Amino acid sequence: DGGITQSPKYLFRKEGQNVTLSCEQNLNHDAMYWYRQDPGQGLRLIYYSQIVNDFQKGDIAEGYSVSREKKESFPLTVTSAQKNPTAFYLCASSIGASGGPYNEQFFGPGTRLTVL
Amino acid sequence: QKEVEQNSGPLSVPEGAIASLNCTYSDRGSQSFFWYRQYSGKSPELIMFIYSNGDKEDGRFTAQLNKASQYVSLLIRDSQPSDSATYLCAVGSYIPTFGRGTSLIVHP
Repeated sequence: DGGITQSPKYLFRKEGQNVTLSCEQNLNHDAMYWYRQDPGQGLRLIYYSQIVNDFQKGDIAEGYSVSREKKESFPLTVTSAQKNPTAFYLCASSIGASGGPYNEQFFGPGTRLTVL
Repeated sequence: QKEVEQNSGPLSVPEGAIASLNCTYSDRGSQSFFWYRQYSGKSPELIMFIYSNGDKEDGRFTAQLNKASQYVSLLIRDSQPSDSATYLCAVGSYIPTFGRGTSLIVHP
């Protein structure tokens, strides 16, 4: 089955700790994205990557870091510098630039992060 | 700043009725328009996309796009309680901008 997997489903973190959220896709998509969703809010873009070994900051990148060493994987690290990290984190992928402007995104199941 | 506006709702409709969800956007150059359905606690699921002015139908869903008015809508015919969810509008090409979503409640 092709799709996007995220792990863990739930994550609890103590203040001052860094945590890494996993995102893997087997859709052969070039582009991958990380979003944050807070209750009653839309999706806010954290980082995105259009190709391996390259990524760009989104609207709310402060306190987060990413890497894209493999096409299939795009892990997100929530650092201790992120002041309010409790949220629902969503990873998505799309065909990328080769799809032109018609670039539907497909989402993983999400990771719910809670800071204790 | 590209903006996508949706009425947060909730929009409440009786079972079997037509639900109409609306979205306006600020970027006139937008070429791609998406509707996602998100059940509570779950991730968004793509249900429709539209690129050209006019209507696009898929089963009980119809997406309508009017680029001159910068307006995109989603109609759900014969609404079912299982359609109760938040519907997110996304606008834009390579990096879409998401609206905050409209909560739909379909009551028996």
